Amino acid sequence: QSALTQPASVSGSPGQSITISCTGTSRDVGAYNYVSWYQQHPGKAPKLVIYDVSVRPSGVSDRFSGSKSGNTASLIISGLQPEDESDYYCNSYSSSGTPHFGTGTKVTVL
Amino acid sequence: EVQLVESGGGLVQPGGSLRLSCAASGFLFSTYTIDWIRQAPGKGLEWVSSISSGSHDIFYAESVKGRFTISRDNAKNSVYLQMNSLRGDDTAVYYCARDWTGTTFDYWGQGTLVTVSS
Repeated sequence: QSALTQPASVSGSPGQSITISCTGTSRDVGAYNYVSWYQQHPGKAPKLVIYDVSVRPSGVSDRFSGSKSGNTASLIISGLQPEDESDYYCNSYSSSGTPHFGTGTKVTVL
Repeated sequence: EVQLVESGGGLVQPGGSLRLSCAASGFLFSTYTIDWIRQAPGKGLEWVSSISSGSHDIFYAESVKGRFTISRDNAKNSVYLQMNSLRGDDTAVYYCARDWTGTTFDYWGQGTLVTVSS
């Protein structure tokens, strides 16, 4: 099973918007609207921030949003804040019946 | 409050075995799929295995197939991961997570560290 491809790092200044891409194939991201995103601070367990491509769980800031086009899903963080500095992972269901995680992106707030 | 608590991690020699446990509370455990997901030191997340609510559907990553066995006891609100023939690349923090839709992990435990080394 191959990991979904994410940029290793993305950075932005406070208040800016950033986009993290998650590129898969027609057997995972492109085939299903089952993409989720997780935020992980150092030494902590991951936290769900987006599911089903663009749905935000209760309690997650509305500065987080998601979208998908073809084989690429995206997580958008608007109004970047210092507490958004973290690692982010995408995940997608695949035709193999198992989920695939992305390679992970480190977000830095400048 | 939903809680997942892993235990059973530790130091084990290559070729050895270890059994991880995941104790759940705060939700109707018997109706949810539970997954194990691991993270090697400084690396990304890797899905390991999942078990459906009634244990009818079980899946494994290719990297652990034939060596790891997942099971659950709904009476004890617990999921287990029996890990045999452990290798150095199995060294990781192992998380259990509630699987909401088959690929949405909405609650995670704090993780338990497994170190495979001589």
